[in-house]
Amino acid sequence: GQQVMQIPQYQHVQEGEDFTTYCNSSTTLSNIQWYKQRPGGHPVFLIQLVKSGEVKKQKRLTFQFGEAKKNSSLHITATQTTDVGTYFCAGPQGGSEKLVFGKGMKLTVNP
Amino acid sequence: DAGVIQSPRHEVTEMGQEVTLRCKPISGHNSLFWYRQTMMRGLELLIYFNNNVPIDDSGMPEDRFSAKMPNASFSTLKIQPSEPRDSAVYFCASSLGWIGGGYTGELFFGEGSRLTVL
Repeated sequence: GQQVMQIPQYQHVQEGEDFTTYCNSSTTLSNIQWYKQRPGGHPVFLIQLVKSGEVKKQKRLTFQFGEAKKNSSLHITATQTTDVGTYFCAGPQGGSEKLVFGKGMKLTVNP
Repeated sequence: DAGVIQSPRHEVTEMGQEVTLRCKPISGHNSLFWYRQTMMRGLELLIYFNNNVPIDDSGMPEDRFSAKMPNASFSTLKIQPSEPRDSAVYFCASSLGWIGGGYTGELFFGEGSRLTVL
């Protein structure tokens, strides 16, 4: 079945640094969604990308969907301690609304 | 809206006991999902419903797990008998389903039910 891989699985950065995390799918996706889960919390929707090559920004977060619609990236500029958490990408499997999640990228920030 | 409501928030039980987790989705949402989260396996989709009908239960681990959605505002996930390896956080999520134009509704997650089986 479809697999969604995220790299890296863990990321530790100094406050103020930039970093990028990646999401790769074994199949072409109709869309990709990103979620954030704070420690002890539940996943919260961040954004959805649908178009090939699409780029969307949310303040310091920049999301991109690959041209082939098989990969995506999340870039965070000037990381803050409030960015701490696990970031998941998820894609619908086949033609269904069944969302398959990657294993997540756990971000820790050194103040 | 209060969001997706799950109960209980925490459950500690002994191996062999029956466990029932409950979920109230957001009113108006057509789709409901049950996920299980563990450190080792991440977020796994167990089953999802569309308009109260189970569409895909291929993620349900085994016959000990069952899920129902008797109406649009309530769903249960039952484990009988429970085993220590079932210990995890179980999330219920709801969404509007397919919106069109390639968009799927975002998932709204409940706060989860943390299950510990001793």
